[in-house]
Amino acid sequence: ILNVEQSPQSLHVQEGDSTNFTCSFPSSNFYALHWYRWETAKSPEALFVMTLNGDEKKKGRISATLNTKEGYSYLYIKGSQPEDSATYLCAPNSGGSNYKLTFGKGTLLTVNP
Amino acid sequence: EAGVAQSPRYKIIEKRQSVAFWCNPISGHATLYWYQQILGQGPKLLIQFQNNGVVDDSQLPKDRFSAERLKGVDSTLKIQPAKLEDSAVYLCASSLDRLNEQFFGPGTRLTVL
Repeated sequence: ILNVEQSPQSLHVQEGDSTNFTCSFPSSNFYALHWYRWETAKSPEALFVMTLNGDEKKKGRISATLNTKEGYSYLYIKGSQPEDSATYLCAPNSGGSNYKLTFGKGTLLTVNP
Repeated sequence: EAGVAQSPRYKIIEKRQSVAFWCNPISGHATLYWYQQILGQGPKLLIQFQNNGVVDDSQLPKDRFSAERLKGVDSTLKIQPAKLEDSAVYLCASSLDRLNEQFFGPGTRLTVL
């Protein structure tokens, strides 16, 4: 079972602030990293799948970077909005014959209007 | 395209009672997953099906939990008898196959009193 750490555990920001959080994971046997956004009472929604070292992906105001050699990924939100309030989960997959995601505990983001 | 459906959305039972959750994956998705998310933790994989066969059930507490996926489509997860520590959100996810992105349902929130 992979050891996946996410920080901070929770974050409160004001509308318009930019923010970022971290996901760290074992760098050995890396295959892919997934980021999900999970709003209360809704389905977790896939944000990004990242595979290559140095990858940077963007979706609107949200972007993510990946460093597979040192085992971390950053998620950035520019100009946070109240609708960004959610838990952000990362899940690396170590590949092999069984493609299995191991989730971190998540970062709970609250954006105050 | 319809998403992953789960029912019920909420369930409250007393300890030692039995409970069952149902999942209908996205049409054509061969792989189906059940996750357990305890408050403050990340989702943990309980069982993974490929069509109607079990690929991974290493983290399923088999003394009380069981799951089946008849005909390789819908799936049912059962807990019998429930314990207080089973209080959690139970998420179902599906993917085209093991190497593809997972799509999640809204989950069933179980409270065991």
